[in-house]
Order: sequence, then structure tokens, then C-alpha cells
Amino acid sequence: NAGVTQTPKFQVLKTGQSMTLQCAQDMNHEYMSWYRQDPGMGLRLIHYSVGAGITDQGEVPNGYNVSRSTTEDFPLRLLSAAPSQTSVYFCASTRDSLNSPLHFGNGTRLTVT
Amino acid sequence: ILNVEQSPQSLHVQEGDSTNFTCSFPSSNFYALHWYRWETAKSPEALFVMTLNGDEKKKGRISATLNTKEGYSYLYIKGSQPEDSATYLCAPTSSGSARQLTFGSGTQLTVLP
Repeated sequence: NAGVTQTPKFQVLKTGQSMTLQCAQDMNHEYMSWYRQDPGMGLRLIHYSVGAGITDQGEVPNGYNVSRSTTEDFPLRLLSAAPSQTSVYFCASTRDSLNSPLHFGNGTRLTVT
Repeated sequence: ILNVEQSPQSLHVQEGDSTNFTCSFPSSNFYALHWYRWETAKSPEALFVMTLNGDEKKKGRISATLNTKEGYSYLYIKGSQPEDSATYLCAPTSSGSARQLTFGSGTQLTVLP
């Protein structure tokens, strides 16, 4: 059972480039979310989804887009990367509500130069 | 976004010592509180999800209590071992934002052999 799979593990971008961070889960979880982790800041919610076709903004959504066309996949798009988006990104999922624990992917370390 | 405080920020204990940390959060409209263990270079791993005032949860040498009326939770580790070294995160959610977890900055525990 793969759980939550994130790709790539590492990525270097130049300012202004675009890219998509992939997240897939095979647990039939309705809820999926993206966090970024910065030193001294803890985990901050970027976007989340409570089911296919439904997305919503978290604490720090600016500069990021998401979509949820299937239950399994929740990609995070950076349309025009900025150095402030240098961070470690985690995707996490859970059954259907937040009285169940989150299952985290292994993270993507992104550097924007 | 909830105001979440974890204390202490970091802690060094000797192997065999017992220790505890605190998570403080707004008591109004409480929905659930999560605890996660996060080892360096890994992804966060769920310890407990607590929903009821007075809840006590236990997993091996780790236990947690919850007071929703005053807005705090304690995490206890009995007989700390070097493998307990990690950052411990708490994350509450309120009924007003029941689809979003707000993570604290964590308590970084180092257990010295």
C-alpha cells in the first residue's frame, strides 16, 4: 500500500518558471491538502480539497493553484515561481474530516533561484 | 487561522527521564486536536486525534490529555529513549474552520544517551 506519493523529491527552478508538484493517494481519502514548511514557521496550509471537484484556500494560497479532478490526485501548480516559494512542500490526506489523522507524503524540497 | 502555542520550543532530556510538553489553543468552537511526531528528514506521523474534553490517549510510552474548556493539551513521554528525539507538533481545528488544521511550531525533543 503506497499511501501518499509525492513527486518530485527535489526540484530547482529559476524565478518565473512554472511547475507542478504531484500528489497521489491510494487510500480513497476524500480530504487532501498541501502544506509548506519553513524554518521557524511550522506547517502552513496552502490549499485543500474535501472531494473531487472541490478546492479551497488555506492560510497561504497566493502564487499557487490546485485542482482535484479525481479522488486520487491533487496537484499543486506554481505558475511563476518566486524565491519566496523556496520551501519544503508536503501533501497530506485523510478519510473525510479532521477527526481522523492526516497521512503525509515524503515531501518535495523546492529551491527557486 | 487559530493561535496555537507550543512550549517549550526545545527540550533536552537524559535517557530514562520522563517529560511533557504543552499545546495551547483557543477554547471556543473546539472540534479536534491532532498530535504528530516528526523526525528529521522524514514526514510527520500521527500520534493522536482527540475530540472530547477530558480525553486521554496512550500509545506505548507516549500519552496525551485534552482540556477543551481551558484550551490546552499535554503530551507525556515516559522513560524517554534516544529514538524519541523528534519534533512534536500539535494542530487544533475549530468547528468554524473544521476543514483546516493550524499547526503549532512544535517542541523539539532531544534525548541524550
